[in-house]
Amino acid sequence: ETGVTQTPRHLVMGMTNKKSLKCEQHLGHNAMYWYKQSAKKPLELMFVYSLEERVENNSVPSRFSPECPNSSHLFLHLHTLQPEDSALYLCASSRDRGSYNEQFFGPGTRLTVL
Amino acid sequence: AQTVTQSQPEMSVQEAETVTLSCTYDTSESDYYLFWYKQPPSRQMILVIRQEAYKQQNATENRFSVNFQKAAKSFSLKISDSQLGDAAMYFCAYRSPLVLSGGGADGLTFGKGTHLIIQP
Repeated sequence: ETGVTQTPRHLVMGMTNKKSLKCEQHLGHNAMYWYKQSAKKPLELMFVYSLEERVENNSVPSRFSPECPNSSHLFLHLHTLQPEDSALYLCASSRDRGSYNEQFFGPGTRLTVL
Repeated sequence: AQTVTQSQPEMSVQEAETVTLSCTYDTSESDYYLFWYKQPPSRQMILVIRQEAYKQQNATENRFSVNFQKAAKSFSLKISDSQLGDAAMYFCAYRSPLVLSGGGADGLTFGKGTHLIIQP
C-alpha cells in the first residue's frame, strides 16, 4: 500500500449507530487532517493532528470524535449522527504543518446516514 | 476568516485547447500560500500547482500555469493543450502562513470547485 488509504470506502449507518472511519498514511508524515466534502459546499476542515496531538478542532459537533494513536493512523469515531452528516470524508497528511507543504489525500469514505 | 471563491461551477473545453479557471480569495494577511488541487471522478485529490504569495513570479508545472494577481487577490489556473485526462473537479485553496509557532489557522480553505469537461 502506498500513499493515504481510507476504510471503509462506503458506509451506510442509522442515526443510532456507532461506527469508525480509518485512515492510514504510508508516507512518513507527521501531520494528518480530516475534511468533510458535502455536495455544493467547499471542503471543510474538521480536525488537524500534528505528531499525534490535536492542534485544531473547527467547531465540529461532539458526535464526531477523532483519535490519532500514532503518526500513521487517524480515526474518526461517529455516533448518533444526523442525515445532514452524510458526505464524503477525506483524510489527508503532510510532512508537517508547514504551510507550503503539499497535503496528500486519501480516496475518502462516502458516508450515508439514514 | 479567509474565503475562496470559484465563480465557474463548470467549464468545457475542446481537447488540445487552452482553458482558464478563475479563483479569487479574500484575506487580510500579506503572506500566504495558494494551491490548485484536482479531483478526478472517483479518484483521489492531487496537487496540481502551488504559489507562495511573496513570490511575484507565476508558478508553472508543465502544461499548468497560474496567473497570480496579488493586489486583485486573484489566482487563476491555465491549462494548455487540454487532454482527456484533465477532466476533473478543480479546487482552489488558500493556506495561512506557517503555524509551527502555534498561531494562525491550520489546514486548507477551499473554494467550491470547478467541474472541467474536456470535449474530444
